[in-house]
Formats: sequence, structure tokens, C-alpha cells
Amino acid sequence: AQSVTQLGSHVSVSEGALVLLRCNYSSSVPPYLFWYVQYPNQGLQLLLKYTTGATLVKGINGFEAEFKKSETSFHLTKPSAHMSDAAEYFCAVSEGPGGYNKLIFGAGTRLAVHP
Amino acid sequence: DGGITQSPKYLFRKEGQNVTLSCEQNLNHDAMYWYRQDPGQGLRLIYYSQIVNDFQKGDIAEGYSVSREKKESFPLTVTSAQKNPTAFYLCASSPRVDTEAFFGQGTRLTVV
Repeated sequence: AQSVTQLGSHVSVSEGALVLLRCNYSSSVPPYLFWYVQYPNQGLQLLLKYTTGATLVKGINGFEAEFKKSETSFHLTKPSAHMSDAAEYFCAVSEGPGGYNKLIFGAGTRLAVHP
Repeated sequence: DGGITQSPKYLFRKEGQNVTLSCEQNLNHDAMYWYRQDPGQGLRLIYYSQIVNDFQKGDIAEGYSVSREKKESFPLTVTSAQKNPTAFYLCASSPRVDTEAFFGQGTRLTVV
């Protein structure tokens, strides 16, 4: 069965510092991987996704993530944090092409950005 | 504009009453989902549907029911059997179950 583990339920960084949010997954088949962001009392918005091809994926708002099959990881990074990045971030996995399995979400990581 | 509409945004109900949350999408997506979100627990899947007139239980289906009579609509009923219904409920849709999901703005249900 697929699963997603997000290391660290809370991460705090200074404005301008590197953001690193960790995500590890388990899947018996090549996965599709996603990162979502949620602002308070809002729905989730897709930041980026990996399906096939290039393992370094760029998303919106300056975020990127790298799929590392050997490490079963899909960590989210941003070189320089902005106050507006404060939100909750969710990693998700699905079985990929031809797999009719639903998205599985991690428990989320709340990012705080302080001046 | 295309998107997913959940209504209402806030809902209050008395304990023991059934309540139905609305979810409508005009994205022509086949798959639709209902998630429950509680603080510190991420998203938990209640039900999902891959096609009209078909749906499957998720991880926490007890005390909930759904229907999928139209492609555009996937209403969720929170029944009196749900022991702790107060939560933030999110509806989503996707072209297929293995692609990214698009989310509505959520309904915050408070049972008093």
C-alpha cells in the first residue's frame, strides 16, 4: 500500500532563508507525486507535480522539488522564504498511469516565516 | 469560471441532525472526493467516486453517505451516526483518480 510521511509537523524559518520541507513515500509502482499548499480556511492549491521525465520539478511561487527514486523522497525547497509562504504544505502520492488508486496525503507541515 | 464550489462555507447544526454538504464542479472531471480535515491530522478520505452512479468508501466512511447521480455533483451527508462531525470538509475533483486533484474552498461544519 502507498503511504506518505512528512517529516516535521512544524517548520520555522527566517525571511530570506532556505525552505526545506521533507516528504518520503512508499509505493510498489512508479508514483505520481504532488505538493499542495493550504492557507487558513482555504482549499488546497497545487504547487507542483512529478509524473514522468525530469526529476527536478519547478512549481509556482518559486518552489521546486526533486524526485529521488533511490531515497523514495520528494522534498520541497525554496531558496529564499517570503512572509507570504507561511501556510500548511501537503505532499501526496498516487499510483501513476493506469493505476486507479486515489491520492494519498501526508499529515502536512506547517511553515512559519519570521522576520 | 471553471472550478469547484462548496456551499455553504460555514454550517452550524444541532447534535443528532443529519446535514448535507454541497459540492459542484464544472470542470468535466470524472473523479470526485470528500476529505475531512482536523487540526494536526492532515486530510482523511471519506468517500470518492470515479464515475457517475459509483462511489467507494475511503478511510473514514462511517457516519457519512454520498451520492453521485450527476457528473457535476457529489453531495456528502453527515449523519447522526457520525460521532464527532465538527471539522473542515474539503471536496475535490480530478480528471482521473491518479492525477492531481482540484479543491473547493471547504465547508466548516460545527455541531453544537
